[in-house]
Amino acid sequence: QVHLVQSGAEVKKPGASVKVSCKASEYTFTSFAIHWVRQAPGQRLEWMGWINSDNGNTELSQKFQGRVTISSDTSANTAYMELSSLRSEDTAVYYCATGHDFDIWGQGTMVTVSS
Amino acid sequence: DIQMTQFPSTLSASVGDRVTITCRASQSISNWLAWYQQNPGKAPKLLIYKASSLESGVPSRFSGSGSRTEFTLTINNLQPDDSATYYCQQYNTYPYTFGQGTKLEIK
Repeated sequence: QVHLVQSGAEVKKPGASVKVSCKASEYTFTSFAIHWVRQAPGQRLEWMGWINSDNGNTELSQKFQGRVTISSDTSANTAYMELSSLRSEDTAVYYCATGHDFDIWGQGTMVTVSS
Repeated sequence: DIQMTQFPSTLSASVGDRVTITCRASQSISNWLAWYQQNPGKAPKLLIYKASSLESGVPSRFSGSGSRTEFTLTINNLQPDDSATYYCQQYNTYPYTFGQGTKLEIK
């Protein structure tokens, strides 16, 4: 069965960067795009962008342009989302998702930004 | 950005009831709409994709309909496990956007 396993919770200070990983198992990593979605406490889900792991192309939400980098390592079946210049409003659970129509999700990674 | 508006925001119903959640897009998204169920502390779970296609393993009590700007999620024969927050999402146009969620409580 296909799984996405994300890295553990992070606590960062304002202005720092965070890099979250998403490891895929049991499927051909390059078959589907990997999306990143975040959810601040009590808020709706927010799409950040995606990567085509086959060719490395990305599409990013303009809201995060300049602050987010989405990358992948096909040899490790792993995708990464790095968010820089963190502020308190970036405190959220970050999810990766893939498959047809977002049918497979990682377990989420809590990122807390606090001084 | 395409705005997705769901209503109602909260819903209370009894076991065995039928409920309907509506999602409205600020512009046409064809049928590129998904519905998710999310329980507290968990990742969203895909229920419906392409507006009306039932995801594998999801009970047939769940159904979706609509196109362009107006969509509905219907849950028949409500079960206690259906207590959750439901989100719609458009994936027609970047950035993909979600509704604000509908919290369903089972009485």
